Formats: sequence, structure tokens, C-alpha cells
Amino acid sequence: QVQLVESGGGVVQPGRSLRLSCAASEFTFSSYALHWVRQAPGKGLEWVAVISYDGNDKSYVDSVKGRFTISRDSSKHTLYLQMNSLTGEDTAVYYCARGRTRGNNQDFDYWGRGTLVTVSS
Amino acid sequence: QSVLTQPPSVSGAPGQRVTISCTGSSSNFGAGYDVHWYQQPPGTAPRLLIYVNSNRPSGIPDRFSGSKSGTSASLAISGLQAEDEADYYCQSYDISLSASVFGSGTKVTVL
Repeated sequence: QVQLVESGGGVVQPGRSLRLSCAASEFTFSSYALHWVRQAPGKGLEWVAVISYDGNDKSYVDSVKGRFTISRDSSKHTLYLQMNSLTGEDTAVYYCARGRTRGNNQDFDYWGRGTLVTVSS
Repeated sequence: QSVLTQPPSVSGAPGQRVTISCTGSSSNFGAGYDVHWYQQPPGTAPRLLIYVNSNRPSGIPDRFSGSKSGTSASLAISGLQAEDEADYYCQSYDISLSASVFGSGTKVTVL
């Protein structure tokens, strides 16, 4: 069964950095795009970033451009999200999700359980 | 404010049929992009419910159905059950934003 397990969340001060990881298993890692989606407490889902199956293409929501970097390590079957200059608006549960189809309009067929990031002084 | 607009809540008695609308624009549905739907019970991660407008992944009951026409889409739940209480989100791609986008979410309550 496909598994995605996030880690790295926690409490961090405004302006500081944090790196999230998502360990993937039970599927061909290098064949799928991977996404980060976040959900602020009591709020809806917000797409954050995507990295293509080969790592060559990346895209971000405007609110994190220049601050967040998505990357992947095929040898470790792991997805990352480096988050810099964090603000209270970044407080959320961060999910990694597998993108199923090629092209822009992917659906997310498997999700991790999420990791909570709290930005607070 | 979400690019895709959903009603905040819908409700129905057990066994009834409810529908959830998702209104987009010319930069997403109108540009030909498909809609996908997700179910998120309280305290859990979302799960894919419908993909590419009307397709159900393996394991999703046929009580759930989806459609898309023009700049709108909808999700129908027939034979409503207590376990269907959850938040539901539509999702697509927006060419103006160059980003995947989610709807604002709809809470389904079983009376």
C-alpha cells in the first residue's frame, strides 16, 4: 500500500526556518510528481508547491515564492520542503500528496497524515 | 478568498440525496481543466473521492458521483449515511494563477 509519512513539523519563531520531509514507499518514486498542501487551523486546503517526477520542474503558490523550496531525493525516496522567513500565516498542517496524472491538472490520489507547523514567538 | 466557490454547508437526513456545487471561472473550468473532489472527515487527511470530473477511485462507493459543465461542477451524494459527515473540497488548476486551486470547502451534516 502506498505510504507517505511527513515529519519535521514543530514550533518555530517568526523569521526562522524549518525543513519538512515526506518519506514515500510502496510505489515507483521517480515516476510521480509530488505536492505539498497545507491547512491552517480551522481553515480549508491550500496547495503550496509541486515538484515534477524528475525534479526538473517546480511551482509554488504566490504566498511562498522566494521563501519555500521544494526538492526530492530519489535515492532516499523522500520529498522535502525548506521553509524560510516563516510567519504566523504559515501555521498549518502540511500534507504531502502524490500527483497522479501528467500535466498541470493533477489529482492527488494518496496523502500523508500531515505534520503541524506552528509559527509563534 | 478561494478561486473555486462552494457553499459553506449542506445537510440532509439519512438516505437523502445532497449536492455540493463548485463554481469556477474562465481561467480554470472554463479553460478546460477538470475537477477533482476530496472528502476530509474530522481530524483526518483528505482522500480522493472523484477524479477527472466523474471517475471514482477503487473503493469509493457509487453513492458518490460528480459532473462538470461549463464553469461549474457538482458532487452528489445519494443514500446519505452518517459516515458521510465530513468536509468536501473541489480542486482544479487555474491558468491565471499557474497553480492548483481548492474550493472553499463544504461541510456535510447528516441530520
